[in-house]
Amino acid sequence: QSVLTQPPSASGTPGQRVTISCSGSSSNIGSNTVNWYQQLPGTAPKLLIYNDNQRPSGVPDRFSGSKSGTSASLAISGLQSEDEADYYCAAWDDSLNGAVFGGGTQVTVL
Amino acid sequence: EVQLVESGGGLVQPGGSLRLSCTVSGFIFSTYETNWVRQAPGKGLEWVSYISGSGSTIYYADSVKGRFTISKDNAKNSLYLQMNSLRAEDTAVYYCARSVGNSFYYYSIDVWGKGTAVTVSS
Repeated sequence: QSVLTQPPSASGTPGQRVTISCSGSSSNIGSNTVNWYQQLPGTAPKLLIYNDNQRPSGVPDRFSGSKSGTSASLAISGLQSEDEADYYCAAWDDSLNGAVFGGGTQVTVL
Repeated sequence: EVQLVESGGGLVQPGGSLRLSCTVSGFIFSTYETNWVRQAPGKGLEWVSYISGSGSTIYYADSVKGRFTISKDNAKNSLYLQMNSLRAEDTAVYYCARSVGNSFYYYSIDVWGKGTAVTVSS
């Protein structure tokens, strides 16, 4: 059971917009910034969004992040086949004194 | 180029020990925080442990506390994870990962290694 809650799956057709939710609590998302990671099959995770809504250099602006209270969201607009991957949210948890991850959301491009 | 390369994984019996290493390059290791994060087969990511740049601050997940020890040698640009009393549920790919942020408010893992596989089985 992950500390942060994500839907296990999401899907869309090419060009559509897909949104992934991430629910936490006052000790993690409510207190600290949220990060999102993309993990393509058989590879290590890659930082997609940091500080709730910032994109590292090289990440397409089709990916965007937002946060409100103890929940966060990742949006993928203009969905492409190469976006098929697992997506994880994460944040530091002040009560646990450790990082916490969501269970991951598998995105499928139909 | 920033790189983190893990080694030391393998097959170990339940109750056994293993030491993972991570050699880093492309950045000043002593000024960055590093972590171990693991992923069991077919499962999600689980943070395991954190160590500050100087090594003075260390945290562990409850699932490994008392069994795993994180350490670093800044002179050798190396991070370690000593794993004792291993259990079947410790079977996973273990990633070495650099984190950034002036405080835990901004905590973010920005670079990951490719991982090393650990299998605990008799």
